[in-house]
Amino acid sequence: DIQMTQSPSSLSASVGDRVTISCRASQTIASYLNWYQQKPGKAPTLLIYSAVISESGVPSRFTGSGSGTDFSLTITSLQPEDFATYYCQQAYSSSVTFGPGTKVAVK
Amino acid sequence: QVTLTESGPALVKSTQTLTLTCTFSGFSLTTSRLSVSWIRQPPGKAPEWLARIDWDDDSYYSTSLRTRLTISKDTSKNQVVLTMTTMDPVDTATYYCVRGSIFASGGYYLHYFDYWGQGTLVTVSS
Repeated sequence: DIQMTQSPSSLSASVGDRVTISCRASQTIASYLNWYQQKPGKAPTLLIYSAVISESGVPSRFTGSGSGTDFSLTITSLQPEDFATYYCQQAYSSSVTFGPGTKVAVK
Repeated sequence: QVTLTESGPALVKSTQTLTLTCTFSGFSLTTSRLSVSWIRQPPGKAPEWLARIDWDDDSYYSTSLRTRLTISKDTSKNQVVLTMTTMDPVDTATYYCVRGSIFASGGYYLHYFDYWGQGTLVTVSS
């Protein structure tokens, strides 16, 4: 299986901060990369697919970039509702895998 | 609107077989490029994809769990069923039913999970 790693595993930030989360695949996956947000007690929700395409209704402050093995999710101006855990997921293989997650907490 | 609801036992014993049912609405699993997957998430850990069934009856399984899993669908009832054999306490998790869609562009096809159920917690006792 393709292994996904994320960094950092957690971070503390303030409202208005710019936040960047990194995701790395164990082999090249082109742009077969999706990002999800999960709040406590809730199911994950789709933010970004195909590395750079925002899901309908997702605020424009969320942007995805990268291809190959290295990807990133950037929140340009952190809002109170953005404190959550973020997961990347590769869709290159039919046996999809998720990263371990990055928790964005209040500073 | 699209909804998915998981149902099944909250508690199973070690070595038993788990059967979960996903009942969905707002779409049909006969529609091209749609699928339903099961994804689980142990407490405090990342999601783990288990299995997927497509509109055309193709099915896919987690490499590490494929010998224990069976996924099937009943399009007339808008249901997808997952069975997992030989349950163990490490299988304790919230199990999600999730719709998948395919983004297609010029020969490029990418699968993503766009609608999730609320999840059902399954605890395995020893």
